[in-house]
Amino acid sequence: DAKTTQPPSMDCAEGRAANLPCNHSTISGNEYVYWYRQIHSQGPQYIIHGLKNNETNEMASLIITEDRKSSTLILPHATLRDTAVYYCIVRVATGNTPLVFGKGTRLSVIA
Amino acid sequence: GAVVSQHPSRVICKSGTSVKIECRSLDFQATTMFWYRQFPKQSLMLMATSNEGSKATYEQGVEKDKFLINHASLTLSTLTVTSAHPEDSSFYICSAFGQGRHRGAFFGQGTRLTVV
Repeated sequence: DAKTTQPPSMDCAEGRAANLPCNHSTISGNEYVYWYRQIHSQGPQYIIHGLKNNETNEMASLIITEDRKSSTLILPHATLRDTAVYYCIVRVATGNTPLVFGKGTRLSVIA
Repeated sequence: GAVVSQHPSRVICKSGTSVKIECRSLDFQATTMFWYRQFPKQSLMLMATSNEGSKATYEQGVEKDKFLINHASLTLSTLTVTSAHPEDSSFYICSAFGQGRHRGAFFGQGTRLTVV
């Protein structure tokens, strides 16, 4: 079972920041927070991951609360091509255990 | 970045026939690959773990005789849907974890199977 809870859907105006929340209150000390997204009829795409520090890459920023029980994925300037289902997943970083997907958040970026 | 390639991307077959889907890791070796199935408007559901050189492990409720998995090399896993029925119509996705500079989970493009 997925160990994360996300809102089922969100809307965001094009050009504005999209802030996608995720609750993972039962996260273990050795589990990372991963974010993937799935554009319609494609395989999931890696976005970012982190353990406890905030992370930023060319796609997004990840803000993890100090108690690590929740996080927020930030797309700083959403475009129409960011419309997708976003999945927040917790998992240990090593080993070959599979990613377990929850229901994700369907983000609609509106012109 | 690392690439996982799936083929075919789309297939239509008649009921009762078998369909093979290939999943390749293009620039890294993968001792383990994963197969997922996704029905419309639903999330990805793990079907099985494919292990190079050994038998696959299946999730509860997934018929191993219907979904045959072969992981014959470090870069190729295949999923064969045997005696397909319309209810097997779905989006099938494979995944592999890279190594070294390709660490992380990478996903294939997915295969849309339609059984008529």
